[in-house]
Amino acid sequence: AQSVTQLDSHVSVSEGTPVLLRCNYSSSYSPSLFWYVQHPNKGLQLLLKYTSAATLVKGINGFEAEFKKSETSFHLTKPSAHMSDAAEYFCVVSPMDSSYKLIFGSGTRLLVRP
Amino acid sequence: DAGITQSPRYKITETGRQVTLMCHQTWSHSYMFWYRQDLGHGLRLIYYSAAADITDKGEVPDGYVVSRSKTENFPLTLESATRSQTSVYFCASRPSGGMGDTQYFGPGTRLTVL
Repeated sequence: AQSVTQLDSHVSVSEGTPVLLRCNYSSSYSPSLFWYVQHPNKGLQLLLKYTSAATLVKGINGFEAEFKKSETSFHLTKPSAHMSDAAEYFCVVSPMDSSYKLIFGSGTRLLVRP
Repeated sequence: DAGITQSPRYKITETGRQVTLMCHQTWSHSYMFWYRQDLGHGLRLIYYSAAADITDKGEVPDGYVVSRSKTENFPLTLESATRSQTSVYFCASRPSGGMGDTQYFGPGTRLTVL
């Protein structure tokens, strides 16, 4: 069965310091993987996605993620946090045996301190 | 470019009442989805539709009814609302392409059942 685990429910960083949000997945096949961001009282916005091309994926707003098959991980990083990055982040897996299904992690809330 | 819209954005109702949440997309995407978001659960799929007049159950369909007479609309009805259906509801859509195609989310409807 496919699943996705976000290892931290909350992450707190200072503005200008690096961000690391961790995600591990379980899938029988090579999945598609996504990171979505949700700002307070807003819908979900796609940050980036991996679909078996380059393992290092660049997204919007300076975020990137690296697909590591050996570690079954898809961690999200950003070199320097900005106050506007404070939000909830969801790691999502789309199994390759499904044309529609998304499996969501439980989310990581990122806090950015001034 | 309106994208995907939901109405109402906020709704308060009472136990036992019927409630309909509306979702409209302007992209002519084939697939549409309804999710609910609850603390600690991420997003869970309620129902999805692959095309007009084709719908199917997701992970948590009990207590909900959907229809899709037109490609652009996908209403979700709670036939007899219960307190456990208090949640934030998100509609999403995606084109009929291959694996890993992105789902695009609406802004959400916050429903409170008293």
